[in-house]
Amino acid sequence: GAGVSQTPSNKVTEKGKYVELRCDPISGHTALYWYRQSLGQGPEFLIYFQGTGAADDSGLPNDRFFAVRPEGSVSTLKIQRTERGDSAVYLCASSLGSGSFNEQFFGPGTRLTVL
Amino acid sequence: AQSVAQPEDQVKVAEGNPLTVKCTYSVSGNPYLFWYVQYPNRGLQFLLKYITGDNLVKGSYGFEAEFNKSQTSFHLKKPSALVSDSALYFCAVRDTDSWGKFQFGAGTQVVVTP
Repeated sequence: GAGVSQTPSNKVTEKGKYVELRCDPISGHTALYWYRQSLGQGPEFLIYFQGTGAADDSGLPNDRFFAVRPEGSVSTLKIQRTERGDSAVYLCASSLGSGSFNEQFFGPGTRLTVL
Repeated sequence: AQSVAQPEDQVKVAEGNPLTVKCTYSVSGNPYLFWYVQYPNRGLQFLLKYITGDNLVKGSYGFEAEFNKSQTSFHLKKPSALVSDSALYFCAVRDTDSWGKFQFGAGTQVVVTP
């Protein structure tokens, strides 16, 4: 497909479990972003990558959250020891270039529910 | 730190009437401002952006936004709203120190009635 894809679309897990959320950006987009959106709120920045490296991870809430992008394309957001408060929609976006003002293209999100 | 505020949780207008969705911002340098729209069960879609230049920015689907530096506002407008414009609208500002870091507003639900 031509757009950003995210898998799974829905994930239900139990408190304390480990989850991985995957993002496939638009081909050729070097920048990739992760956000978290809770009900009734705007997207909250978590981390962004330029190429393979995390350029800014200041939005990750704590050390249970980690994201990788080993080959500069697909990214995985990893959450350890999940808590009920982690329940939200996790959004991924990608854009062209570094230091540019290009708009972000968003995926449909992964809805994470922690029971 | 950068921030945006969307003072209205909901805006309701009749089809054919003008639509305005408000956004104010706070930045430490030059503002880079964006509007996105979110339809139910779909990802956010880009509408328009202000980087520099003309204060009136034209975007997708007939939307435009007016940048006002003295009022630190970036209101989204559409001269004649459609029922299909009913959606959740987000204003966002780019961090001046970290180009990939964006701060989004809480969103404004637009309801356009037939």
